[in-house]
Amino acid sequence: EIVLTQSPATLSLSPGERATLSCRASQSVSSFLAWYQQKPGQAPRLLIYDASNRATGIPARFSGSGSGTDFTLTISSLEPEDFAVYYCQQRSNWPFTFGGGTKVEIK
Amino acid sequence: EVQLVESGGGLVKPGGSLRLSCAASGFTFSSYSMNWVRQAPGKGLEWVSSMSSSDSNIYYADSVKGRFTISRDNAKNSLYLQMNSLRAEDTAVYYCARDLFQGVGDYWGQGTLVTVSS
Repeated sequence: EIVLTQSPATLSLSPGERATLSCRASQSVSSFLAWYQQKPGQAPRLLIYDASNRATGIPARFSGSGSGTDFTLTISSLEPEDFAVYYCQQRSNWPFTFGGGTKVEIK
Repeated sequence: EVQLVESGGGLVKPGGSLRLSCAASGFTFSSYSMNWVRQAPGKGLEWVSSMSSSDSNIYYADSVKGRFTISRDNAKNSLYLQMNSLRAEDTAVYYCARDLFQGVGDYWGQGTLVTVSS
């Protein structure tokens, strides 16, 4: 099973700041990595798929990069609605697995 | 508008069974692979099971293999998860998710809570 490790666990930032979230895989997942956002009491929302492709309706301030084992989700300028938990997820090998999440909180 | 609505959750005793349903609308259900993903209270996400559009490819997480069965009825636009021999560690919100590509959930339901407790 591929283990995804996200860092940091918590990111404390102010609106308008840049957020950089990391996801590291225990083995190569090529570019088969997605990012999801989840707010309390809500289902996950797909942001990025296959490392760098924004899902339908996702604002351009969200971008993804990386390949192999190291990936990054960048939020260029945090909006109030962006404070949430973010998960990475690989689809390279079954079982598909998620990282433990990064909580982006208001500083 | 794509909609996925889960139902069937509730409180069940250890060793018991439940059948979850996911009613789909707003897209051609028969053309998409579908998935169940769960989230234990206060915890992260776990991909539980996947089923291709043609039923030809079915996957289960090791944690549920042999106890859970995924199925679908394309005529009823519905996905199901039959859960047997339930354990306390199966307690979670269960989400139904549509595949954009295999393993990429682009639309998710609101989830249904399953609680396994005596």
